[in-house]
Amino acid sequence: GDSVTQMEGPVTLSEEAFLTINCTYTATGYPSLFWYVQYPGEGLQLLLKATKADDKGSNKGFEATYRKETTSFHLEKGSVQVSDSAVYFCALSGRNTPLVFGKGTRLSVIA
Amino acid sequence: DAGVIQSPRHEVTEMGQEVTLRCKLISGHNSLFWYRQTMMRGLELLIYFNNNVPIDDSGMPEDRFSAKMPNASFSTLKIQPSEPRDSAVYFCASAMGQGTDTQYFGPGTRLTVL
Repeated sequence: GDSVTQMEGPVTLSEEAFLTINCTYTATGYPSLFWYVQYPGEGLQLLLKATKADDKGSNKGFEATYRKETTSFHLEKGSVQVSDSAVYFCALSGRNTPLVFGKGTRLSVIA
Repeated sequence: DAGVIQSPRHEVTEMGQEVTLRCKLISGHNSLFWYRQTMMRGLELLIYFNNNVPIDDSGMPEDRFSAKMPNASFSTLKIQPSEPRDSAVYFCASAMGQGTDTQYFGPGTRLTVL
């Protein structure tokens, strides 16, 4: 079945550091890919998404590019802030299947 | 616009008691998902509905758990009897269509079973 594998955390970075969180997927066909973020004490919220190969999703300084050749959707940000501290979930959905989430990666940014 | 509404936000109960969690979907959405999140097991999909019909309940842990959609905008998740291992944060999420696009999560209900 469809699945998502993302790097295990926690990831701890200093403010203004570069962030990469790796995500690879296994799916039949051409899934849509998502990154969700969960801030402390809150539900998940959509951060960005991409629906076809080579699409780049972006939001709040975060970016991820749908790479079909490497089945990847890595999340990047050039300069993280303390306020980016959260848990990040990679997810995919197929044509007729709802979201499949990865296990989440906890990011802590220290000043 | 109001987002997904969950109630209660916090619930503390004793083992053996019945617990009912409630969720109101975003207007116009027709897919509803119930998730459970714990430190040990992460985020787990329990059940999802499309147009009020349960589509996949394979994630429901056991018969103590049941979920309903009495109408198009409201759902309940019931645990009877509750056990300490049910302690978790329970989220519901709603989506348009079959839920293959963006899901919108509620703030969650933190359940503690003593």
